[in-house]
Amino acid sequence: EAGVAQSPRYKIIEKRQSVAFWCNPISGHATLYWYQQILGQGPKLLIQFQNNGVVDDSQLPKDRFSAERLKGVDSTLKIQPAKLEDSAVYLCASSSTETQYFGPGTRLLVL
Amino acid sequence: AQSVTQLDSHVSVSEGTPVLLRCNYSSSYSPSLFWYVQHPNKGLQLLLKYTSAATLVKGINGFEAEFKKSETSFHLTKPSAHMSDAAEYFCVVSEAHDMRFGAGTRLTVKP
Repeated sequence: EAGVAQSPRYKIIEKRQSVAFWCNPISGHATLYWYQQILGQGPKLLIQFQNNGVVDDSQLPKDRFSAERLKGVDSTLKIQPAKLEDSAVYLCASSSTETQYFGPGTRLLVL
Repeated sequence: AQSVTQLDSHVSVSEGTPVLLRCNYSSSYSPSLFWYVQHPNKGLQLLLKYTSAATLVKGINGFEAEFKKSETSFHLTKPSAHMSDAAEYFCVVSEAHDMRFGAGTRLTVKP
C-alpha cells in the first residue's frame, strides 16, 4: 500500500514570497491533516479535512495560510506572504480510523 | 482540551541497556494514546497505540508501553536498546481524531 506522498521535499524562499505544498493521502482515507513542526517541537495541527470539508482550522493563520481539498483526495497548503517564522517542516497525514499515517514532510526555509 | 507532557527532552542510554521514555497525559474522556518515532529527515512512524483494550501494548521493534489510568501515564519501554533506535520519540493523546503531540524526547544510543 502506498503511503502519504508530499512534494516538494525541500523549499527555500525569501520572506514575502508565496509557496505551495502538495499532499496525496493514502487511497481511501477520508480524513487529511496538515501539521506544522518547528525545529525542536512536536507537530502542531494547522487544518483537518473530512473529505473536502474543513473539520478544524482553528490554529491556521488565515491571514497568510490557506488550504484546500477540492475533490476530497489530494490537498494543497499555501503560504502567502511567507514570514521568517514560517520556517518549519510541514507534515501531511491521513486516516480512516483514529490512527494517522504521515508523509515525509516538506522542509521550508524562509530567508 | 487534552494535552501530553513528555518528562524528558533528552535520554541517553548505552547499547544493550533498557530504554524508558516517560509520558503523562491529560484528558477529559477515555483517550487514545500513541507513540510515534521520527528518524532524522524521515516522516513520523507509528510505534504503537492504545485504544482502551489491553493496558500493556506491544509495538514494533521491541517497544511496548503501559497505560496506567491512575497515574495518567503512558511510558514507552524497550528491554535492550539498539543503535538504530536513536531518534526523536513523540507521545500523542487523541480525542475524536484531535491529536495533540508532546514536545518530543530525543533518544541517544551510545556504543
